[in-house]
Amino acid sequence: DAGVIQSPRHEVTEMGQEVTLRCKPISGHDYLFWYRQTMMRGLELLIYFNNNVPIDDSGMPEDRFSAKMPNASFSTLKIQPSEPRDSAVYFCASSVSWAGRYNEQFFGPGTRLTVL
Amino acid sequence: AQSVTQLDSQVPVFEEAPVELRCNYSSSVSVYLFWYVQYPNQGLQLLLKYLSGSTLVKGINGFEAEFNKSQTSFHLRKPSVHISDTAEYFCAVTDDNYGQNFVFGPGTRLSVLP
Repeated sequence: DAGVIQSPRHEVTEMGQEVTLRCKPISGHDYLFWYRQTMMRGLELLIYFNNNVPIDDSGMPEDRFSAKMPNASFSTLKIQPSEPRDSAVYFCASSVSWAGRYNEQFFGPGTRLTVL
Repeated sequence: AQSVTQLDSQVPVFEEAPVELRCNYSSSVSVYLFWYVQYPNQGLQLLLKYLSGSTLVKGINGFEAEFNKSQTSFHLRKPSVHISDTAEYFCAVTDDNYGQNFVFGPGTRLSVLP
């Protein structure tokens, strides 16, 4: 398996522009997570989905952020409009639960976003 | 609420010396514990996990961790580190209430010095 795929790997944009980050989870995984990592705040959970349904979006910073999962193999995280303080590395992770056991999350390589 | 504490934000150690990275958690139900490593400019990858069974868990790259329920700890150890172990290490925990939604610690930056 190719693992979790994220695109783009790097994104540089100007303040006010719309940014869309993409994620393809591992096939067969039923959970998908979006995280943000910064030096100041560390690793923060933004939102997670189970079977394509958003379960907890309490970590989404504000209304400028939105996430969708239209099918089991694709998710997007959108920022509109972007601001310099959104500059961070955004990670997507996926996992699978079975037989009541909790299994590790597999992380993608991340998207490094720079908002000028 | 569930929480994870990694008391050491940075740990410098000389090559071939032993190292212990500390992790403490708070949870009142059965827990499941994980250690992840993040090399520079990469995503997180799993080092080892404790789901049940033996409290001593062995992982990749010579790392091991011991689950201590009475002390609510899951410390990571390696008897002899290499330069290539320089990375950020994250402890994560979940339980029957949180399920697949892990709580991650703030991370410990391990720097291995020549």
